[in-house]
Amino acid sequence: DIQMTQSPSTLSASVGDRVTITCRASQSVSRWLAWYQLKPGTAPKLLIYKASTLESGVPSRFSGSGSGTEFTLTINSLQPDDIATYYCQQYNSFSQSFGQGTKLEIK
Amino acid sequence: QVQLQESGPGLVKPSETLSLTCTVSGDSISSYFWSWIRKSPEKTLEWVGYIDGSGATNYNPSLMSRVTISADTSKNQFSLRLRSVTAADTAVYYCARGQLVYDYWGQGTLVSVSS
Repeated sequence: DIQMTQSPSTLSASVGDRVTITCRASQSVSRWLAWYQLKPGTAPKLLIYKASTLESGVPSRFSGSGSGTEFTLTINSLQPDDIATYYCQQYNSFSQSFGQGTKLEIK
Repeated sequence: QVQLQESGPGLVKPSETLSLTCTVSGDSISSYFWSWIRKSPEKTLEWVGYIDGSGATNYNPSLMSRVTISADTSKNQFSLRLRSVTAADTAVYYCARGQLVYDYWGQGTLVSVSS
């Protein structure tokens, strides 16, 4: 099984900051990597797929990059609405697994 | 706009069967793939399984012996049954559209396993 490791586990930042979350895979997943935003009591939201493709309707301050085993999710100009937990997911060769999540807090 | 809504008991006794239903609006379950995903307090998100528009299913190997996903196209619903539950099955259960990438999700329903 492919293990996904996110860092950091918790991140505290100020409104307007640029925030970066890293996701590492235990083996190459090419660019088969997605990012999701989860907030309690609301439907999770797909942000990015295929490592860097922005899902329709997602604000352009979100971006993704990487390939192989290392990926990043960047939020430019952090907004209060971005308080959430973020998960990466690999979906290589009809297997899939999620990272343990990064909880984003506003300072 | 595609919307999904989970429904079912929030409490299940150990060794019994967890049953949840997902009602879909804005799309037909006869098209594409429809999945169940769960998030337990101790673990990360875990894919449970999916059913496709033809009724074919695929399950997480770690749950395969206990899981059944079915669909009722007349009601535009799909369902999850998880047998012989234990405390380890306590989780928020989400239904979602997709086979590997999930673009629409329900808000999730908490199912606790306890006597």
